[in-house]
Amino acid sequence: NAGVTQTPKFQVLKTGQSMTLQCAQDMNHNSMYWYRQDPGMGLRLIYYSASEGTTDKGEVPNGYNVSRLNKREFSLRLESAAPSQTSVYFCASSANRGRQPQHFGDGTRLSIL
Amino acid sequence: AQKVTQAQTEISVVEKEDVTLDCVYETRDTTYYLFWYKQPPSGELVFLIRRNSFDEQNEISGRYSWNFQKSTSSFNFTITASQVVDSAVYFCALVLPEGGSEKLVFGKGTKLTVNP
Repeated sequence: NAGVTQTPKFQVLKTGQSMTLQCAQDMNHNSMYWYRQDPGMGLRLIYYSASEGTTDKGEVPNGYNVSRLNKREFSLRLESAAPSQTSVYFCASSANRGRQPQHFGDGTRLSIL
Repeated sequence: AQKVTQAQTEISVVEKEDVTLDCVYETRDTTYYLFWYKQPPSGELVFLIRRNSFDEQNEISGRYSWNFQKSTSSFNFTITASQVVDSAVYFCALVLPEGGSEKLVFGKGTKLTVNP
C-alpha cells in the first residue's frame, strides 16, 4: 500500500537553483497539502489544494509555487532556492477537506547551501 | 486567533510510567476538530485520533487515552505504562474551517523519551 509517495527523499541545492518536489497519492483523496517542518516550529502549511483544480496559500507560501496536476499529484516548486528554505517537506492528503485525518508521505529533506 | 499550544517541549520518563501530554487550543468557532499525530524517530507522521467539538467523551485505545474538555479548551493525551516504542514527537492539531477548505494548524510538538 503506497499511500502518499514523495520524491526525492533527499536533495541538496545551491542558493538560486530551482527544484520541484513531487507528491502522489493513490487513495483517491480530494484534498492535498504541503507542509514544512523546522526544528521547534512544528509543521507549517505552505499550500493546499482542497480539490482538483484549486490551490490556496497556507501560512508560509512565500518563495513557493504549487501545481495540482490531477487528482493524484500535487507538486511544490522552489523557483529560486534560499538557505531559509532548508527544511523537511511533507506532503499529505485527506479524503475530503481538513476535517478528515491526513495521511502523510515520508518527507523530503532539503538542504540549500 | 486560532492556535494550538503544547507547553511541554520535551518529557523524559522511565518505562512503565504513565505520562500525559498537554494540548490547549484557541478558536472562536463552535465547530472544530482536534487531532493527535505521532512522529517516531524514523520521521513519518502517524494519525492517532480525531475528536470533533460536539463529542466530549473520553477515548481509550489500549494504553492510549484522550481527555477532551471544552471548558478548559484542552485535549490531553495520556500514555499508560509507557514503553520505549512510545518515544516520539507528538503533535496536537486543530482544523480551522475557512471558506470550505479546512486547514490544519499544528502545535509545536512534545518530544517524549521513554527510557528503559
